[in-house]
This record gives sequence, C-alpha cells and structure tokens, in this order.
Amino acid sequence: AQTVTQSQPEMSVQEAETVTLSCTYDTSESDYYLFWYKQPPSRQMILVIRQEAYKQQNATENRFSVNFQKAAKSFSLKISDSQLGDAAMYFCAYRALNYGGSQGNLIFGKGTKLSVKP
Amino acid sequence: DTAVSQTPKYLVTQMGNDKSIKCEQNLGHDTMYWYKQDSKKFLKIMFSYNNKELIINETVPNRFSPKSPDKAHLNLHINSLELGDSAVYFCASSQNLRQTQYFGPGTRLLVL
Repeated sequence: AQTVTQSQPEMSVQEAETVTLSCTYDTSESDYYLFWYKQPPSRQMILVIRQEAYKQQNATENRFSVNFQKAAKSFSLKISDSQLGDAAMYFCAYRALNYGGSQGNLIFGKGTKLSVKP
Repeated sequence: DTAVSQTPKYLVTQMGNDKSIKCEQNLGHDTMYWYKQDSKKFLKIMFSYNNKELIINETVPNRFSPKSPDKAHLNLHINSLELGDSAVYFCASSQNLRQTQYFGPGTRLLVL
C-alpha cells in the first residue's frame, strides 16, 4: 500500500526567509501525481502545487517550488520569501493513477504546521 | 461563485441521530469525493463517485452512505451517529480520476 510521510510535525520560519517542508512516499507504481495542499485556520484545503511523476522538471508556482526526487521517493516543498499568510498546515498527498480500486484516491501525509514569525 | 460548496458548515447533533451533509460543485467535474479529517488533522478518503457510480469505497461503516442525485451533487448520509464520527468532512471534485481535486470548505460535525 502507498504511504506518505511528513517527518516534521511543526516548522517555523522568519518572514521573508525560505523554508523547506519534507515529504517522502512509498509506492511501487511508476505513474502517479504528487501534491501539496495548504490548510489555513479557515480549514479550507487549497492546492499549492502539483507534480506529475513522469515529468523530470520540478514544478513551480510563484514563491512555491518542489524538489522532486523520484528515485528517492522524495517530494519537498520550498517556500521562498515567506509571508504571514503562508502560516498554515501543509499536507503532502499522493495520487495513484493505475492502482485498482485506489485509482484517483488522494493519500495524505499527517501534515506539517508552519508558523511564520514577523 | 463558489466552486465546491458544502452545507451545513457546522453540525452539532446527538448520538444515535441520522444526519446528511450536502455537497455541490459547479465546475462540471465528473468525479466527486468525500474525505474525513479526524481530530489529529489526518485526512482519509471515504468515497468517490465517477459519473454517478461508486468507484472507491474504503472501509467505512455502512452507516455512511453517499448519494448522488446528479453529477453536480454528492451528499453524505450518516445513520446512527456515534461519538467517533465527530470530525471535519470534506467534499472534493475533479474533472476525472487523473485531474486535480478541488475541495469544499468542510463541514465540522460534532456528536454529543
């Protein structure tokens, strides 16, 4: 079964600095997607960034970028120029595309709570 | 013009009651999902519907039943509520099984 591990329950960063959130996953599949979702105190789940496993190029979205290491099954999120509004729970998620009944199913890590200090 | 909406946002009820949570998406998506987020913030898939057919059914109690009257709606019915059902329930939708899922605002259920 696929699993997603976020080893940092909490992280803290100074405003305007850079922080990296870690995520590792376990799968025997070759075709899958990886995601980072943000959940602020409002509890809304917001998509931050998405990475297709077949793409070697790391995804970027403005201040957010990932370091995708397929062989190592690692998918870290880098937030540059951190802002107060970045404070939230961040969830790493895996999505199988060719795995029987779990096809399309999002499997989440336990989350990392990010605090941003002014 | 909310993409994925849920009602109610908060639901407080007594043990043993039956309740429903409604979900609607106006994105024209073919697939809808229900997730449960427990008190430790852990998110887990409960159900998904693709073109009105159940395609994933994780090991949830049969007290929980998804009902989809049409492609834009996936409601969650819960019978005989238990204390352990207290959680935040999220609805989500995607164009198909390969595309990104977009989440509703969540429904916080508290069973007393």
